[in-house]
Amino acid sequence: DSGVTQTPKHLITATGQRVTLRCSPRSGDLSVYWYQQSLDQGLQFLIQYYNGEERAKGNILERFSAQQFPDLHSELNLSSLELGDSALYFCASSVGRAQDTQYFGPGTRLTVL
Amino acid sequence: GESVGLHLPTLSVQEGDNSIINCAYSNSASDYFIWYKQESGKGPQFIIDIRSNMDKRQGQRVTVLLNKTVKHLSLQIAATQPGDSAVYFCADDNYGQNFVFGPGTRLSVLP
Repeated sequence: DSGVTQTPKHLITATGQRVTLRCSPRSGDLSVYWYQQSLDQGLQFLIQYYNGEERAKGNILERFSAQQFPDLHSELNLSSLELGDSALYFCASSVGRAQDTQYFGPGTRLTVL
Repeated sequence: GESVGLHLPTLSVQEGDNSIINCAYSNSASDYFIWYKQESGKGPQFIIDIRSNMDKRQGQRVTVLLNKTVKHLSLQIAATQPGDSAVYFCADDNYGQNFVFGPGTRLSVLP
């Protein structure tokens, strides 16, 4: 158990819908990262927040957004869902801003029908 | 742009043998690398890391080697066990910006 929690574990929804994925980092960690893992793309970095502020942005679509709240939990919002958005979404946390070991949560499996 | 890639998508080894998983990176400015293990149905798990001012780092049954000249990284697992069966990813910190993960190598341990 990494100490990072993610909810829900599974999510099934329809195209065009909007969903919110939630992540609670390990106690004491200030950074939260979001990753998308699909069969043909591997692990793709989406976005990082550090202490409430966006720090780095990767291959995140404009339909996706995230935020980190004062209690350091984070939410990833996915809207106008498409079939291709079906994937595993992982959250990770680390103590610092960069070059820190990232601890991954168990992931949320999103299925878009 | 930078990329991190793995030489082999799959690797099968006999239980008790040593395993070597390779990774190539293209960004010569990268200075921090991590190996992760991902078991089926779970999130990636940190194994070992290495900074660019080192050539070698050892952990428990694992050793990471870094060759900056040819931009190559390897993970050696000693006395491979059935519990080592997983997908292994190398990750590059992209010069402190974000982590770029390789496609992964699936390690299968044969009895």
